[in-house]
Amino acid sequence: NAGVMQNPRHLVRRRGQEARLRCSPMKGHSHVYWYRQLPEEGLKFMVYLQKENIIDESGMPKERFSAEFPKEGPSILRIQQVVRGDSAAYFCASSSPGYGYTFGSGTRLTVV
Amino acid sequence: GNSVTQMEGPVTLSEEAFLTINCTYTATGYPSLFWYVQYPGEGLQLLLKATKADDKGSNKGFEATYRKETTSFHLEKGSVQVSDSAVYFCALSDRNGGSQGNLIFGKGTKLSVKP
Repeated sequence: NAGVMQNPRHLVRRRGQEARLRCSPMKGHSHVYWYRQLPEEGLKFMVYLQKENIIDESGMPKERFSAEFPKEGPSILRIQQVVRGDSAAYFCASSSPGYGYTFGSGTRLTVV
Repeated sequence: GNSVTQMEGPVTLSEEAFLTINCTYTATGYPSLFWYVQYPGEGLQLLLKATKADDKGSNKGFEATYRKETTSFHLEKGSVQVSDSAVYFCALSDRNGGSQGNLIFGKGTKLSVKP
């Protein structure tokens, strides 16, 4: 049973480009969470999704960031027009009712 | 709002030393409490958890007791090993059992264990 799969592991983007981060939850998990970890900081909640629904996006920046979890396929975190301050590790976690989180290994985004 | 405060690192210990990493929280209601560990270049792994007052979570020689009266969840290990070197995060969930809803993390404490 594969864990939470995130790809790519490392992503380099120039300022102004778009970044797409993918997360495939564990088999049977219907809830996906995205967190951002800035250097020397803890993880900050960004968004919580269920299939085809955004449940809580209170941690998402208002502009340039979006997330989806379609009926088929992985969850996508999309960052448009990246800036240097977006450089961070982005972690995805999945869960199902009654069970705790499982985290992926993260995508490390570097904006140059 | 809910928050987690944990002792700042880095913490450097010799092998077989006793470890304590302090964690206190602020929350309304009855949160669940967690310790996660992050090894270099990897994601977070759940180390242990407690879902109600006076519960003790334990795993791999690590322990933490949910103390509601002091709003604390300190992590302890009696004898650390080099392989315990990692960053440790205290976290809370305001949803019962922690299965849904977002987690609120402390800033993390980096532990280095020297042989």
